[in-house]
Amino acid sequence: DAGITQSPRYKITETGRQVTLMCHQTWSHSYMFWYRQDLGHGLRLIYYSAAADITDKGEVPDGYVVSRSKTENFPLTLESATRSQTSVYFCATHSGGADTQYFGPGTRLTVL
Amino acid sequence: DQQVKQNSPSLSVQEGRISILNCDYTNSMFDYFLWYKKYPAEGPTFLISISSIKDKNEDGRFTVFLNKSAKHLSLHIVPSQPGDSAVYFCAANPTSNKLIFGTGTLLAVQP
Repeated sequence: DAGITQSPRYKITETGRQVTLMCHQTWSHSYMFWYRQDLGHGLRLIYYSAAADITDKGEVPDGYVVSRSKTENFPLTLESATRSQTSVYFCATHSGGADTQYFGPGTRLTVL
Repeated sequence: DQQVKQNSPSLSVQEGRISILNCDYTNSMFDYFLWYKKYPAEGPTFLISISSIKDKNEDGRFTVFLNKSAKHLSLHIVPSQPGDSAVYFCAANPTSNKLIFGTGTLLAVQP
């Protein structure tokens, strides 16, 4: 029972390329989130989703696109990667009740 | 502007001693706070939380204290163990299901 998985775990790409980071959960939690972790900034929310086909912007959404056609998947796309998007990206889920968020293992993305 | 602040980027303590990690917040409307622990190459994991109706919550070696008037919370780990070495993030839950994180404190527990 994997819970929440992210792929790839590591990715190197070049400026201007499109990159998609995948997030998959087996719990059927309603809420899903994308964060980026950067030194000096902690974890910042990029986008979140309250249910399939419902998404909303977080604190730092520029340059990113999300979709959620199925409850279990929440891909994050960088349409034209920039060096400033070099970061560690975490996906998280939440059941919506009196519970906490559960995080995936992260994807380390390097944009050259 | 950071709404949740962890002003100490790092902390080093001896095994068996107390570790105290601090967190400040700016919005008095925040009413629920959490601490997450993160090991290298892993995602953050939930550690302990506290509601604003309490001023203390304890779970084994971990205790969180909340001072609402000072908009300050702290995480105490007693006794500290080498396996506690990790980055600790403080977070506030201002609205249903969304979290605002601090910048993190790297705790190193020396054997």
